[in-house]
Amino acid sequence: DTGVSQNPRHKITKRGQNVTFRCDPISEHNRLYWYRQTLGQGPEFLTYFQNEAQLEKSRLLSDRFSAERPKGSFSTLEIQRTEQGDSAMYLCASSLTGTSGVNEQFFGPGTRLTVL
Amino acid sequence: GNSVTQMEGPVTLSEEAFLTINCTYTATGYPSLFWYVQYPGEGLQLLLKATKADDKGSNKGFEATYRKETTSFHLEKGSVQVSDSAVYFCALSDPRGGKLIFGQGTELSVKP
Repeated sequence: DTGVSQNPRHKITKRGQNVTFRCDPISEHNRLYWYRQTLGQGPEFLTYFQNEAQLEKSRLLSDRFSAERPKGSFSTLEIQRTEQGDSAMYLCASSLTGTSGVNEQFFGPGTRLTVL
Repeated sequence: GNSVTQMEGPVTLSEEAFLTINCTYTATGYPSLFWYVQYPGEGLQLLLKATKADDKGSNKGFEATYRKETTSFHLEKGSVQVSDSAVYFCALSDPRGGKLIFGQGTELSVKP
């Protein structure tokens, strides 16, 4: 039983470059979430998918951010023209919607982005 | 909008001390409530959950009761261990599912 995996685990980039992160959810989970966590804060919601449909995007998500889940399995989060303020831990989580209605999300280890 | 407020840390306790970490929430409707834990160098793990008023979630000696009248979900443990040192996050999810809204986290340090 594999959990949620994220790649890369660490990314250092220069301001203005584009970066892409990948998330592989737990295989039978139909929902996939992206969050951002900065030091000393709780995770902040960015966006989520149910299967391949993107159902909600946070107002925090600027036009430089885009996420996809093309076949309803893995997802990618791309940040274009990175800024120093984008430095954070990017977390992915997945869940299975069921009759209980409880949204129990399982988190990956995160990708730490540092923008120089 | 929905929000979660946790007591500020860090909290430092001696081993076997009683732990309370306060969490209050603001939400429309009837959210599900969660405590997540983040051990040093590891990802977020679900610790316990409660889905309706007066439900008590429990796991690994930790407990929290969903109190709708006080909009609270305080985390408690009767006797902490050094291995409980971590950051604890309270969170809510709206009943239709979707995003989790987290508090800012409370760092717990347990000394031998």
